[in-house]
Amino acid sequence: DQQVKQNSPSLSVQEGRISILNCDYTNSMFDYFLWYKKYPAEGPTFLISISSIKDKNEDGRFTVFLNKSAKHLSLHIVPSQPGDSAVYFCAASSKAAGNKLTFGGGTRVLVKP
Amino acid sequence: GAGVSQSPSNKVTEKGKDVELRCDPISGHTALYWYRQRLGQGLEFLIYFQGNSAPDKSGLPSDRFSAERTGESVSTLTIQRTQQEDSAVYLCASSLDRVVGTQYFGPGTRLLVL
Repeated sequence: DQQVKQNSPSLSVQEGRISILNCDYTNSMFDYFLWYKKYPAEGPTFLISISSIKDKNEDGRFTVFLNKSAKHLSLHIVPSQPGDSAVYFCAASSKAAGNKLTFGGGTRVLVKP
Repeated sequence: GAGVSQSPSNKVTEKGKDVELRCDPISGHTALYWYRQRLGQGLEFLIYFQGNSAPDKSGLPSDRFSAERTGESVSTLTIQRTQQEDSAVYLCASSLDRVVGTQYFGPGTRLLVL
């Protein structure tokens, strides 16, 4: 049973436009959510996170939105740049479970120049 | 180094052999996690260590998998009698502690079992 789902396996966007990545979860115990970016042959790189007590967190071009009632979060990248082309993973954790991360399946983003 | 390091970067082995993968966490990070990513899939949690507490082994897929950690430093993940389905990228991550803290990942070890 997948507790964290990214329903879009891929996304193509024009440089300069907004990229919106979505993630749904089922476990109401999750209290911390993260987005990681992964290039081929590298480990995931932390991008941005949000605590369950907030509904928005912004860091430069990256904004994460959390809708707890819908158990949904999204990552907005604006403006998108060619260097943003990578696989993006949504992850969730709970303090009660030692903060081990449960990952979604990833969304491959391609930013076209 | 400043980041999490893992070795070897690549490992090819024959079915039935044992393999040992190593992780050096970021200095000062008390929590250490192992994950794996099979081809085309997301990352799966395997095991985590926090200081001297008993490790959480709930993600280990079988008793062929084991891991150790020496204090708050190096960890090794051992897979005995490897099977082809063990082929994956094995990723290690560390964080300041298990209660709060973003996990920082190493580059991974790509394991191929023939």
